[in-house]
Amino acid sequence: KAGVTQTPRYLIKTRGQQVTLSCSPISGHRSVSWYQQTPGQGLQFLFEYFSETQRNKGNFPGRFSGRQFSNSRSEMNVSTLELGDSALYLCASSSPGLAGYNEQFFGPGTRLTVL
Amino acid sequence: KQEVTQIPAALSVPEGENLVLNCSFTDSAIYNLQWFRQDPGKGLTSLLLIQSSQREQTSGRLNASLDKSSGRSTLYIAASQPGDSATYLCAVRRNAGNMLTFGGGTRLMVKP
Repeated sequence: KAGVTQTPRYLIKTRGQQVTLSCSPISGHRSVSWYQQTPGQGLQFLFEYFSETQRNKGNFPGRFSGRQFSNSRSEMNVSTLELGDSALYLCASSSPGLAGYNEQFFGPGTRLTVL
Repeated sequence: KQEVTQIPAALSVPEGENLVLNCSFTDSAIYNLQWFRQDPGKGLTSLLLIQSSQREQTSGRLNASLDKSSGRSTLYIAASQPGDSATYLCAVRRNAGNMLTFGGGTRLMVKP
C-alpha cells in the first residue's frame, strides 16, 4: 500500500509570491491534515479536511488556505509569502477505524524556502 | 490550551543501553497519544499509538506507557542501536478531530 505522497519535495519562492502544495493520502483515507514545522516553533497544526470539508483549523493567518478534492487529495495554498513561511510542510492522512482508532501517517514533506 | 513538553531535548547514549524518553501534557482530556520518529529532513514515522483508555503499547523493542491522570507518557527503548538515532516526538489528540499537538521532540544519538 503506497504511503502519503507530497509534491513538490522542494520549492524556492520569493517574498510576495504564492505557492500551492499537494498531498495524496493513503488509499481509502478520507482525512488529510497539514502541519508546519520550523526550528523555532516546532510542529504546528494548520488545518484538517475530511470529505472535502475543513473540520479543524489552527491558529494561522488567512494567507494559509487549503482544499480537498473528491478523491481525498488535498492542496494547501500560501499567498503573499513571507520569509517566516520558510518551513517543512507536512501532510498526514488517517482513516477512522474501530472505536475511533485513527493512527495518523505522515508524508515526506515539502521543504519551502522563501527568499 | 494544550501544551506538550518533552524532556530531555537531546540525549546521547552508548549502543546497547536501555533508555526512557519523557512526554508530559497539561490537559488530561486527551483522545489518544502517538509517538513518532523523525530522521533529519524527513517526514514522521508513526511508532506507537495509545488510546486514552489504554495504559501501554508495545512494538518490538519499543514500549510506550500512558498515565492520563498525571499527564505523562514515556517511550522505553530497549537495547538501543545506532539506527535508533533520530528525533522522537510525542503528540496528543484532544478530540475526535485529527488535530495533533506536538512536543518539541527529543533528539537521540546512539553511539556505536
